[in-house]
Amino acid sequence: GENVEQHPSTLSVQEGDSAVIKCTYSDSASNYFPWYKQELGKRPQLIIDIRSNVGEKKDQRIAVTLNKTAKHFSLHITETQPEDSAVYFCAATIDSGGYQKVTFGTGTKLQVIP
Amino acid sequence: SAVISQKPSRDICQRGTSLTIQCQVDSQVTMMFWYRQQPGQSLTLIATANQGSEATYESGFVIDKFPISRPNLTFSTLTVSNMSPEDSSIYLCSALAIGLGQETQYFGPGTRLLVL
Repeated sequence: GENVEQHPSTLSVQEGDSAVIKCTYSDSASNYFPWYKQELGKRPQLIIDIRSNVGEKKDQRIAVTLNKTAKHFSLHITETQPEDSAVYFCAATIDSGGYQKVTFGTGTKLQVIP
Repeated sequence: SAVISQKPSRDICQRGTSLTIQCQVDSQVTMMFWYRQQPGQSLTLIATANQGSEATYESGFVIDKFPISRPNLTFSTLTVSNMSPEDSSIYLCSALAIGLGQETQYFGPGTRLLVL
């Protein structure tokens, strides 16, 4: 099955600096890669996603890049703010026997220091 | 988008008992899922809830322990049976909704379960 690795597990940055979280996946059939932000005690919320036919996608301070050849994708947050502090999960989605299956990374706890 | 609600939001249960968690989506969705998340950990897929048929379980999860129903497109239940303290976790309902020709996964707020 699909295996998704995520690094780093924790990340501390100064407010205003950039943060980068990286994920690798094992199954080349994966074609959809969402990123979720989960604040303490709350549900995961989709913040950005990218599909396999695109190499980069940006939404204000957040961007995601995908390298299908190397099977890795990254989340970039620029001009970080304290409210960006949360746990971020990457995921890789693959179709399996007519069903979509999502495999999550292990999560990155981001702390933005004011 | 899809708004997902779950109840109960939390519960404290005695070992050996069972708890049924309900999940309601405000719009028709293609697929529904149940996840488990231990504090500080990632999300582990328990099963895919199939409308009108048996759920598809992931390795390590069985129907006798986690019976699932999905009688229609917008509602599903997960039962945690014969609970033990190891079942203490957050259980999250999730659904795939189609918007602008693409599917997006949404999550419910979770049910925080403590088994004594």
